[in-house]
Amino acid sequence: GAGVSQSPSNKVTEKGKDVELRCDPISGHTALYWYRQSLGQGLEFLIYFQGNSAPDKSGLPSDRFSAERTGGSVSTLTIQRTQQEDSAVYLCASSFTGFSGNTIYFGEGSWLTVV
Amino acid sequence: SQQGEEDPQALSIQEGENATMNCSYKTSINNLQWYRQNSGRGLVHLILIRSNEREKHSGRLRVTLDTSKKSSSLLITASRAADTASYFCATDFGGQAGTALIFGKGTTLSVSS
Repeated sequence: GAGVSQSPSNKVTEKGKDVELRCDPISGHTALYWYRQSLGQGLEFLIYFQGNSAPDKSGLPSDRFSAERTGGSVSTLTIQRTQQEDSAVYLCASSFTGFSGNTIYFGEGSWLTVV
Repeated sequence: SQQGEEDPQALSIQEGENATMNCSYKTSINNLQWYRQNSGRGLVHLILIRSNEREKHSGRLRVTLDTSKKSSSLLITASRAADTASYFCATDFGGQAGTALIFGKGTTLSVSS
């Protein structure tokens, strides 16, 4: 597609349920990133995929969070047993190669509300 | 924290005025980028300045980088109501795969007509 596509745009889920957020990066981009942004806050790095290398999971806040990237393209971020503090916008981004110096392109985000 | 920190947190100006936002960071960087975010949605890349550059221009945007002070500034000249948004600096420390841009908390700019 022309840009980074994320789905769903909005998700309301009950505390304790699992959620999956999907990201379809720009075609040909080898690097893919997930960030989280709480209301009025900056972006918090979650995880980074680069080609076939092992992903950098250093930003995942707990073992309830996991992400996969299949076939070097689409990525899914999974949050298990959601908590209210997980409510945030989850932003996916991609770039032609990994940093440094590459422009990264963001999707519109998935708004997650845990009630 | 290696995070870039923007200053001020919020800025309100009139159309036609210039807006200056600052970003400070703590360790050496490969490059620094500025992004814009409208209404809490996706970020849009504005400009990248490398560690060996001191100033870059793009339209009404002017970015400076002072590596000795570990700081950068974003100047928007002749601001417009459409410039109302949050602006983030992001520091890139380079390195192997797994490096990530570290974003600050942003400056919220309001331009009134």
